[in-house]
Amino acid sequence: GENVEQHPSTLSVQEGDSAVIKCTYSDSASNYFPWYKQELGKGPQLIIDIRSNVGEKKDQRIAVTLNKTAKHFSLHITETQPEDSAVYFCAATGEAGTALIFGKGTTLSVSS
Amino acid sequence: DAGVIQSPRHEVTEMGQEVTLRCKPISGHNSLFWYRQTMMRGLELLIYFNNNVPIDDSGMPEDRFSAKMPNASFSTLKIQPSEPRDSAVYFCASSSGQIEAFFGQGTRLTVV
Repeated sequence: GENVEQHPSTLSVQEGDSAVIKCTYSDSASNYFPWYKQELGKGPQLIIDIRSNVGEKKDQRIAVTLNKTAKHFSLHITETQPEDSAVYFCAATGEAGTALIFGKGTTLSVSS
Repeated sequence: DAGVIQSPRHEVTEMGQEVTLRCKPISGHNSLFWYRQTMMRGLELLIYFNNNVPIDDSGMPEDRFSAKMPNASFSTLKIQPSEPRDSAVYFCASSSGQIEAFFGQGTRLTVV
């Protein structure tokens, strides 16, 4: 089955800096790669996703890149703000209706 | 739509007692997932259903855990008997087959 590795486990940046979180996956059949943000006491919430037919996707200050050959994908947050502080999870899955397999999460702390 | 609704939000029980967690998915969604979140293991998939049918329960830790989905609007996760190591946050998520999964707020279970 799918296995997703995520690094780093913790990341501290200054406000305005960029943050990068990286994930690798094992199943070459996976074709959907979402990123979730989890705030304290809440469930994970989708912030951006990418499908295997796309190499990069951007939404304002966040962007994701995907390298299917190397089986890794990354989340990039630019101009970080204190409200970006949260736990971020990457995930991977195949067909619609199959379950997301998550990385272990990255705790991002943005200090002002 | 109110989103995925889980109850209770918090549960404290004594070791050996039966615990039942409940989930109401988003109306119209045909896939439902149960995840367990701990600091050590992150977000682990326990079981998921498509059209009320269990598809993959390989993540259920042992026979003490069982899950049912009697209809499209309700699912339960039962632990009997509960043990301290079952203490975790349990999340339910649902999707409409478009792959994006929406999470509930979670149930924080403490077994003493």
